[in-house]
Amino acid sequence: DAKTTQPPSMDCAEGRAANLPCNHSTISGNEYVYWYRQIHSQGPQYIIHGLKNNETNEMASLIITEDRKSSTLILPHATLRDTAVYYCIVKKTSYDKVIFGPGTSLSVIP
Amino acid sequence: DSGVTQTPKHLITATGQRVTLRCSPRSGDLSVYWYQQSLDQGLQFLIQYYNGEERAKGNILERFSAQQFPDLHSELNLSSLELGDSALYFCASSVGGGRSPLHFGNGTRLTVT
Repeated sequence: DAKTTQPPSMDCAEGRAANLPCNHSTISGNEYVYWYRQIHSQGPQYIIHGLKNNETNEMASLIITEDRKSSTLILPHATLRDTAVYYCIVKKTSYDKVIFGPGTSLSVIP
Repeated sequence: DSGVTQTPKHLITATGQRVTLRCSPRSGDLSVYWYQQSLDQGLQFLIQYYNGEERAKGNILERFSAQQFPDLHSELNLSSLELGDSALYFCASSVGGGRSPLHFGNGTRLTVT
């Protein structure tokens, strides 16, 4: 399975866009990119996923580079409630092991 | 609310004991996953079931076992408990095919004293 690399921590000012990068340089053609977040000690929450096109939903936008080797999760207007650990994962299908790395700890600052 | 129900929410027990954690997946989901998260640690994948059959295994200890029943609920059994088994245990479910994402429950916090 392709592995991902994320910065361990980031800060973002409240009301500004939070841009969380993820590197997945060994991703294969049939692997999707998924983003989850975990607010302290709660169960992780699914945010968004995509294959090669940019995706947007009510929570966030996902921008995947043309070569698919990296992606960026964008929270357009970060709030204090967006403070969480954000995980970027790649996998082929639901039958794959879903392995979480250390993620990025995002702190939204007033 | 993810639709995944885990019981109990909290469990306190002594070393050497055995406990059972229960997970009810979202309606319609066929896959169940179990994860362990120790204090300030990452999510460790334990095991996955699909429609009653084991599909993937992580670094699950031999003292731990799991199963998924015909009604699709799942149980994680932890035996000969040690202090180091104290952790949050999360269950997740997914439809089980294609690119369906995981939906997590709120976890069971296990404290071994």
